[in-house]
Amino acid sequence: DGGITQSPKYLFRKEGQNVTLSCEQNLNHDAMYWYRQDPGQGLRLIYYSQIVNDFQKGDIAEGYSVSREKKESFPLTVTSAQKNPTAFYLCASRTDRARGTQYFGPGTRLTVL
Amino acid sequence: GESVGLHLPTLSVQEGDNSIINCAYSNSASDYFIWYKQESGKGPQFIIDIRSNMDKRQGQRVTVLLNKTVKHLSLQIAATQPGDSAVYFCAVGANNLFFGTGTRLTVIP
Repeated sequence: DGGITQSPKYLFRKEGQNVTLSCEQNLNHDAMYWYRQDPGQGLRLIYYSQIVNDFQKGDIAEGYSVSREKKESFPLTVTSAQKNPTAFYLCASRTDRARGTQYFGPGTRLTVL
Repeated sequence: GESVGLHLPTLSVQEGDNSIINCAYSNSASDYFIWYKQESGKGPQFIIDIRSNMDKRQGQRVTVLLNKTVKHLSLQIAATQPGDSAVYFCAVGANNLFFGTGTRLTVIP
């Protein structure tokens, strides 16, 4: 069963804690992306990676970090430096590094208590 | 950069009618245009895409129209069904994508 998986589905964090969101894909896609979705706004790009061991900042990278040690995996860490982390986080991937349609995972809803 | 806007935040249609959802973009260099469907609490689901070298593409019950002259994109859903109720948004770009805020489609039985 191919696709993109994200875990956990729901995550609660206390202020001052770092948390890591998982994203795994078995589609053999080169490029992977992390977005944040807030009510009334379009998706905003946090980080992306077009190849293993390389990644670039998106529009709202402050307070977040990523790694890309394996092609299949692109975890996102939300650090305590992120001032307003409560949001719905979406991971996506695509076959072509340069362009084309992105396919999304089911999302992780992060709530800061 | 790119800015993407949707014309209506909400749209209500009768079951069986056709739905049209619109999107406007700003960057003439954009060459990928994608429509997604998102149900509450779920990730966006790919519906259909179109490249800039085309002006129309059809799928199952859906058609995407691209007017590069006025930088306008539309999604047409034929014979709208209750299961089509969701938020629909477009994505536009070349390398990276830029996303609209979405139109919430409600199908009235």
